[in-house]
Amino acid sequence: DVKVTQSSRYLVKRTGEKVFLECVQDMDHENMFWYRQDPGLGLRLIYFSYDVKMKEKGDIPEGYSVSREKKERFSLILESASTNQTSMYLCASSFTGDTDGYTFGSGTRLTVV
Amino acid sequence: AQSVTQLDSQVPVFEEAPVELRCNYSSSVSVYLFWYVQYPNQGLQLLLKYLSGSTLVKGINGFEAEFNKSQTSFHLRKPSVHISDTAEYFCAVTLSNSGYALNFGKGTSLLVTP
Repeated sequence: DVKVTQSSRYLVKRTGEKVFLECVQDMDHENMFWYRQDPGLGLRLIYFSYDVKMKEKGDIPEGYSVSREKKERFSLILESASTNQTSMYLCASSFTGDTDGYTFGSGTRLTVV
Repeated sequence: AQSVTQLDSQVPVFEEAPVELRCNYSSSVSVYLFWYVQYPNQGLQLLLKYLSGSTLVKGINGFEAEFNKSQTSFHLRKPSVHISDTAEYFCAVTLSNSGYALNFGKGTSLLVTP
């Protein structure tokens, strides 16, 4: 079964820590995405990548960065975590030209204290 | 840029009643439209999609949606809901040259009660 795997289901970090959220897909997808999900706000795009070493800002990139050194792995980095980054983070991937939508991971619930 | 508006944040409905979850989109170019469902404590699952062709799209779990270009809408319907349909539903749009990121609505929480 094809998968998008997020390394942690729950994370608790302290304010100011550097946080890495990892996402791995086994479908050889070119495109990978990071969203955050908050109640009443839906899913908002943070960053996405169309290829290895490529990245594009989404709608809310402030306070985040990403890394894509290998095709299957897309990391989201919180350089200095803050309490307003407490959220559910969802990773997704897709083929270019794919009309089946995207495959999502099960999410990482991050709490910053 | 394309965007999506889900007109209802919460929809309460009794079991076996029909339901419609409303979604409007805005775009000046051709788009693809999707509905996703998120059950409690789970990831997003694709319900159905509109790419082209027939404007009535059938999905999983008895859901269907109708693409209306003149009204820029893509409303989701089910003739008879079950308790198990209780979930968060998201409408999403992307440009028809797929691979672009999905833009999501804010979600509609469907609560089905006995």
